[in-house]
Formats: sequence, C-alpha cells, structure tokens
Amino acid sequence: KNQVEQSPQSLIILEGKNCTLQCNYTVSPFSNLRWYKQDTGRGPVSLTIMTFSENTKSNGRYTATLDADTKQSSLHITASQLSDSASYICVPQGAGGSYIPTFGRGTSLIVHP
Amino acid sequence: EPEVTQTPSHQVTQMGQEVILRCVPISNHLYFYWYRQILGQKVEFLVSFYNNEISEKSEIFDDQFSVERPDGSNFTLKIRSTKLEDSAMYFCASSVEGMSQPQHFGDGTRLSIL
Repeated sequence: KNQVEQSPQSLIILEGKNCTLQCNYTVSPFSNLRWYKQDTGRGPVSLTIMTFSENTKSNGRYTATLDADTKQSSLHITASQLSDSASYICVPQGAGGSYIPTFGRGTSLIVHP
Repeated sequence: EPEVTQTPSHQVTQMGQEVILRCVPISNHLYFYWYRQILGQKVEFLVSFYNNEISEKSEIFDDQFSVERPDGSNFTLKIRSTKLEDSAMYFCASSVEGMSQPQHFGDGTRLSIL
C-alpha cells in the first residue's frame, strides 16, 4: 500500500528563519511529486511539481528537492514570513496504470514574530 | 487570477438523503477532480474526470458517488444516500492538462451529515 510519511508533524520557527520539511514515500512506480500549502479552512495551493527525473525545483522562497532512488523529498523555506504559517503537504503520484495521488498528513508550520 | 469556485460553502443534510456539491472549474481547464478531507485527517483523492469520462477513481468512490459535467461550466459530485461518515470537506480542483500539471483547488464545501 502506498504510504507517505512527513516530518516533523509540527514546527514552530521565528520569522525570518529558514526551515526544511521532510517527506518519505513508498509510491511505486512513481511519476511526480507535489508540494502543497494549505491554509486553515482553505483548499491546497500548489507550490512545486517535480517529475522523477528532477532533483530540485524552486518557487520563490520555496525549494523542493527529490531523490527518487531513496524515495525522499524535502521542502526548504527561506526567510520565513508570518504568512507561511500553514500545513505543507507532500503528494507523490503513481504511474503505470494508476495515477492516483497519495497525500501525506502534512507538516503544520507556525511562524512567530 | 481565475479561481475554482464551490457552492455551497456549507451543506447540512439528513442521513440517507441525496446531496449534490457544485463546482465551477477554471474556464480553460480540461481535467477535473474531487477530493475529500475528513476533519483532522489527510486529503484523499476521490475521482478525476476528463472528456466527459471518469479517468481515475479511488476505492472511496463507490456506487454511492457519481460525477457529472452537466454543461460547459459546472462539475458536480452527487452522493446518493449519505452516511454519517460522508461528513467531510469536499474539494474540487481543475488543471489545464493531465496529472503532471498544477491543480487549482477551490476552498471546499463542508458537508455535515446529521
């Protein structure tokens, strides 16, 4: 069964600091991996999409990395802002017959002033 | 910036009743999706829809569920006979092309089954 483990479950940082969120997955075969930001009570917002052949993808202050061999991904947030407080969700997607995405439980990030 | 809109924002329904959740995807998008998120839990994929056909569905999407694109703008999710465990936030999403493209989510319909 496809599984996605995200760590840490929650994280508190001070405004302006950097942080890195981790994602391990077992989805196989694998086509791509997405990171989403979900504010409380809102729908997820796409941050990055990486195919299995990509190692890194940036979107402003967000940089995602992917190691398809070890099935690990990370999301690095630079110079955090109060508005970065949200849940960050890792979503690997299958390939080869089933493209159903598997969502992680997310990392809840709180940025304090 | 174009948005995916969902109505109603909150739907309260008696167990056993039929419910239809409505979505207006972004106008030039061709792929449409429904997801659900039970309170405090992770988002779960329900179904994807392209060219007036279901392209993928999960185990959750059983015979009680159906989707339809009744006209050129709306995309609906119907639950025929609701159960207590159907209580969740239901998100609609759309994308320009297939599963490798960014999906744009609406802000969801909270479905409460009494």
